[in-house]
Amino acid sequence: DIQLTQSPSFLSASVGDRVTMTCRASQGIRTSLAWYQQKPGKAPKLLIYSASTLQSGVPSRFSGSGSGTEFTLTISSLQPEDFATYYCQQADSYPLTFGGGTKVESK
Amino acid sequence: EVQLVESGGGLVQPGGSLRLSCAVSGFTFSDHYMDWVRQAPGKGLEWVGRTRNKANSYTTEYAASVKGRFTVSRDASKNSLFLQMNSLETEDTAVYYCVRSQLTSRPYFDFWGQGTLVSVSS
Repeated sequence: DIQLTQSPSFLSASVGDRVTMTCRASQGIRTSLAWYQQKPGKAPKLLIYSASTLQSGVPSRFSGSGSGTEFTLTISSLQPEDFATYYCQQADSYPLTFGGGTKVESK
Repeated sequence: EVQLVESGGGLVQPGGSLRLSCAVSGFTFSDHYMDWVRQAPGKGLEWVGRTRNKANSYTTEYAASVKGRFTVSRDASKNSLFLQMNSLETEDTAVYYCVRSQLTSRPYFDFWGQGTLVSVSS
């Protein structure tokens, strides 16, 4: 199975900050990676797929990059509604797997 | 508007069975892969299983943790997705999400239901 390791697990930031988080795969997955945002009590929301493609309707302050085993999600200017937990997910091979999440908290 | 509405969750004893349903609308059901993803209380996301689309004969895939116990199926005539869960264990306690996958070469989860809670306890 492909394991995804997200870092950091927790991130403290302020509105307006540039925020970056990482997802590392245990083996190469090309660009078969997605990022999701989840708020408490809500279903996850797709932000980025194929490592860098912005899902329709997602603000352009979100961007993704990477290929192979290392991937990054960046929020260029953190907004109040962006405080949430972010998960990466690989779609390269079965079983599909998620990272453990990065929780973005208010500093 | 795409809608996914789960039902069927509840409290069940270890070793018991439960069948979850997901009523879908707003898109052509047979065109899309459909998945179940779960989340244990306070934990991360875990993919459970998938049924591919009609073009791929509705074949299925499962996580190792549920293979042989859970079955994903669909009824195209009723626009419904199902998850039959047998031999339930306490570790299966979670919110179960019905999820649609995109029409792309690597289908990602683009629409999620609100989730239904399954509690396995004696």
